[in-house]
Amino acid sequence: QKEVEQNSGPLSVPEGAIASLNCTYSDRGSQSFFWYRQYSGKSPELIMSIYSNGDKEDGRFTAQLNKASQYVSLLIRDSQPSDSATYLCAVDLYNFNKFYFGSGTKLNVKP
Amino acid sequence: DGGITQSPKYLFRKEGQNVTLSCEQNLNHDAMYWYRQDPGQGLRLIYYSQIVNDFQKGDIAEGYSVSREKKESFPLTVTSAQKNPTAFYLCATSSGRSNTGELFFGEGSRLTVL
Repeated sequence: QKEVEQNSGPLSVPEGAIASLNCTYSDRGSQSFFWYRQYSGKSPELIMSIYSNGDKEDGRFTAQLNKASQYVSLLIRDSQPSDSATYLCAVDLYNFNKFYFGSGTKLNVKP
Repeated sequence: DGGITQSPKYLFRKEGQNVTLSCEQNLNHDAMYWYRQDPGQGLRLIYYSQIVNDFQKGDIAEGYSVSREKKESFPLTVTSAQKNPTAFYLCATSSGRSNTGELFFGEGSRLTVL
């Protein structure tokens, strides 16, 4: 099993819809989880961090964490074409301040 | 400007040459990282440093070397021993504190071997 796994996509949603991105991780004891957005040819930018079970909302973005299931997700409400990018899930596995990344999910939002 | 500066943005190398990628930060962050990204793939950790004068190998350290003589600087050397060095290289920093330490990235350096 890879340390951090994501569906590679592409995930296509119409403009205005909810996009749901998922991520699983290998270490049950991990405490810190992050979602990054990466446009083609650019470096990743942080969207959300989440440390506790449950939901965390920031504008159109909601991160959801379930440590028992080793699962973290990102919901994007009212998706816009400008949201089209690759979304990377990152986990501080083993809490060593050493960050592992999934392979990313490519999101296409169609006008 | 505050942040992380990587240079050069683009670099071409002939086979058999060593090249050094620069990473400088003024965020006063303790931890610094080098990642490699290949087309259509996620980020793989090359080396990381939690504190000055100390660093650890990541998952793909072979063919690379680093130093951490100053808190602000973490240069990466891609040696001739790295068989397939063409990639996008990303430097990142973190405050180093668990449960609050998000990663922040520089703009990246794109290395092409001719």
